[in-house]
Amino acid sequence: KQEVTQIPAALSVPEGENLVLNCSFTDSAIYNLQWFRQDPGKGLTSLLLIQSSQREQTSGRLNASLDKSSGRSTLYIAASQPGDSATYLCAVGGSQGNLIFGKGTKLSVKP
Amino acid sequence: EAGVAQSPRYKIIEKRQSVAFWCNPISGHATLYWYQQILGQGPKLLIQFQNNGVVDDSQLPKDRFSAERLKGVDSTLKIQPAKLEDSAVYLCASSFLHSGEAFFGQGTRLTVV
Repeated sequence: KQEVTQIPAALSVPEGENLVLNCSFTDSAIYNLQWFRQDPGKGLTSLLLIQSSQREQTSGRLNASLDKSSGRSTLYIAASQPGDSATYLCAVGGSQGNLIFGKGTKLSVKP
Repeated sequence: EAGVAQSPRYKIIEKRQSVAFWCNPISGHATLYWYQQILGQGPKLLIQFQNNGVVDDSQLPKDRFSAERLKGVDSTLKIQPAKLEDSAVYLCASSFLHSGEAFFGQGTRLTVV
């Protein structure tokens, strides 16, 4: 049974700092991995999708990497801003498309 | 492009009552998902549709939860009767392909008292 773990559960950093969020999964037979952002009381916003054949994806200040063999993904946020404050969720996708989520990392960026 | 639409945004009901949620996916998306997100947890899949057929409903509590996707577009999720532990956010998502990027709606926050 696939399990997804995100470390740390919460993170507080000063504005401008570069940071890394970690995601690990127990079964390397994944189809893809997706990172989401969730603001309080809102739905999930897709940030990056990495297919199993890819090593990384970039969008603006965000870079996500995937190492299937070790069951790890990282989300790198460059030059963090207060507007980046949110909960970041990692989800691994199976061949059927169903996503299995971690519990998320709650990020707070202080001005 | 319009996103995934869900209604209502909020619902408060008493235990043992029934409730229904509605979802309209992104146009052209064949795959539709319903997830349950309990406070402090990641979303958990309840049911997945491919067009109007069910792909996965293994985690749907079928004694009280039901879902349908008539005509392969809109979907409704129903709970009858509701229990206190059903208090959660119910998220609908859709994707063009079953292996593609999933897009989520704003969710329906259900409180059972």
